[in-house]
Amino acid sequence: EDQVTQSPEALRLQEGESSSLNCSYTVSGLRGLFWYRQDPGKGPEFLFTLYSAGEEKEKERLKATLTKKESFLHITAPKPEDSATYLCAGGTNAGGTSYGKLTFGQGTILTVHP
Amino acid sequence: KAGVTQTPRYLIKTRGQQVTLSCSPISGHRSVSWYQQTPGQGLQFLFEYFSETQRNKGNFPGRFSGRQFSNSRSEMNVSTLELGDSALYLCASKREGLYNEQFFGPGTRLTVL
Repeated sequence: EDQVTQSPEALRLQEGESSSLNCSYTVSGLRGLFWYRQDPGKGPEFLFTLYSAGEEKEKERLKATLTKKESFLHITAPKPEDSATYLCAGGTNAGGTSYGKLTFGQGTILTVHP
Repeated sequence: KAGVTQTPRYLIKTRGQQVTLSCSPISGHRSVSWYQQTPGQGLQFLFEYFSETQRNKGNFPGRFSGRQFSNSRSEMNVSTLELGDSALYLCASKREGLYNEQFFGPGTRLTVL
């Protein structure tokens, strides 16, 4: 069974205090590892897609990396507006027909204090 | 470019009733997926539609169904509502092809009393 596990469940940082979120996965036929940000009461907002081990992508204070077993979301010098739930998801082509199914982790709730 | 829209945004129903939720994808996106989000289970895949055909389904009972129209708009239906169906229902659309990211709508908050 496909599984995505995120840690920690919650992370509290001071503004400017860099850290990393972890996402480990066991997804058969993995085709893409996705990171999303979700604010309370809203739908997830797409951040990154990583396709292969060794790949890295950056956006402002966020940097996502991928290995064969896990992905990391590094947050450098975070600001209070970075507070949100960060979701990791694996995409699969199991059966060769669909990339429209994502298996999500439970998310990491990030709180950045000023 | 307009994003994914979902209607209604909020619904309150009672047990045993049925409900229909609507989703309009981003223009040009032909794949529409539905997810259920609850505090206990997180985001769980319900089903995906492409070209008016369901091509993937998650582990939900048959009370959950959906359809897609020729303009790619999609609806999902939940019959005989149960208290446990209270959740945020999210719709996502994507372009067809390898690795294309999914873009989510704001969701419909369903409360079953």
